Amino acid sequence: QSVLTQPPSVSGAPGQRVTISCTGSSANIGAGYDVHWYQQLPGTAPKLLIYGNSNRPSGVPDRFSASKSGTSASLAITGLQAEDEADYYCQTYDSSLSGYVFGTGTKVTVL
Amino acid sequence: EVKLLESGGGLVQPGGSLRLSCAASGFSFSNYAMSWVRQAPGKGLEWVSFSTGRGDNTYHADSVKGRFTISRDNSKNTLFLQMNSLRAEDTAVYYCAKFRGYCADGACYYFDYWGQGTLVTVSS
Repeated sequence: QSVLTQPPSVSGAPGQRVTISCTGSSANIGAGYDVHWYQQLPGTAPKLLIYGNSNRPSGVPDRFSASKSGTSASLAITGLQAEDEADYYCQTYDSSLSGYVFGTGTKVTVL
Repeated sequence: EVKLLESGGGLVQPGGSLRLSCAASGFSFSNYAMSWVRQAPGKGLEWVSFSTGRGDNTYHADSVKGRFTISRDNSKNTLFLQMNSLRAEDTAVYYCAKFRGYCADGACYYFDYWGQGTLVTVSS
């Protein structure tokens, strides 16, 4: 049972904007710990998408953006493309568990 | 180019043991923390274990504490996960991941590179 909750699925047409929420608590996101995001394409290993709440590693398109506020964080994909169809996970640190935690994951479908 | 290559997965009976390895290349291995993350079939990601660069501090998730041990051989650029007393719920793809952060207490750490994973199946 993950301590970070994400919607199971979101969908959008090509070119549209979709957002994925990541809801935590005062023991993790609300405690000020940074949130990171990963993309997992079907049948492959996860890939770092966003680190430190809103920073994109080299090579990640600027169509991907993220933010954090209070006990939640969100990932936005603008100009949705077919290649964005994947599972997305948020991740942070949890002080009550003394460990790193992932969100429940969200499947993005491009209609 | 950073490369992480896991090996050692397979089928094991409940109560058995298995040792996973992760061969790293393309970066100064001893300078970076490393971690294991697993993913049960059709499920989400779960952090398992973490080792500092020198291997002098290690941490494990409660779900594996006392059964799994992370270690590393910096002379061979290799990370290990010794898994004992395996249970059916340990069945998963195990990923080796390079761990990176920008704070002193480790709370900001994230996984910047991942291996392709190795499947561990615990079943009789």
